[in-house]
Amino acid sequence: DAGVIQSPRHEVTEMGQEVTLRCKPISGHNSLFWYRQTMMRGLELLIYFNNNVPIDDSGMPEDRFSAKMPNASFSTLKIQPSEPRDSAVYFCASSPGPGYEQYFGPGTRLTVT
Amino acid sequence: ILNVEQSPQSLHVQEGDSTNFTCSFPSSNFYALHWYRWETAKSPEALFVMTLNGDEKKKGRISATLNTKEGYSYLYIKGSQPEDSATYLCALSNSGYALNFGKGTSLLVTP
Repeated sequence: DAGVIQSPRHEVTEMGQEVTLRCKPISGHNSLFWYRQTMMRGLELLIYFNNNVPIDDSGMPEDRFSAKMPNASFSTLKIQPSEPRDSAVYFCASSPGPGYEQYFGPGTRLTVT
Repeated sequence: ILNVEQSPQSLHVQEGDSTNFTCSFPSSNFYALHWYRWETAKSPEALFVMTLNGDEKKKGRISATLNTKEGYSYLYIKGSQPEDSATYLCALSNSGYALNFGKGTSLLVTP
């Protein structure tokens, strides 16, 4: 298996633009997680899905952030409009289910100018 | 939000030294404790998932223990090597799904 795939790996955009980050989990994994990593806050959970259903989105910072998982092999995290404080590395991870380890993708480094 | 504390924040040891780090967490509503290894410019990789009080797990020169009653876990590295240099994260789960990560311990092993 190729592992968790994220795209793009790097994104540079201007404030106010829409940004869409993409994730393909490991085949057969039922849980998918979106994290954001910053120097100040470390690695923080934004939202997670189980069997394509959003379970907990309490970590999503604002209404500007939204996430979808239309099927078992694809998820998106959208920021609209983007702001400079959204600059961070965004990781997607997947897991076979509760209590199992999570497998992280390579991350998307987002820079909003 | 579950408060997961890790200490020390950073550590610098010589090759061959053994070392250990601490992860502290609230002991109520415990489900699992995860340890991850995060090398620079890479993604976090799972080391251990521990669920039972008294659990001890080992992978090569790295081992971990868990005390859920008092809310701590230790990660040990025996005979540190330069390739062990990384940030070691612990994460607490109280639901089986969501992980609350600590800020990590950054380890540097010099030859």
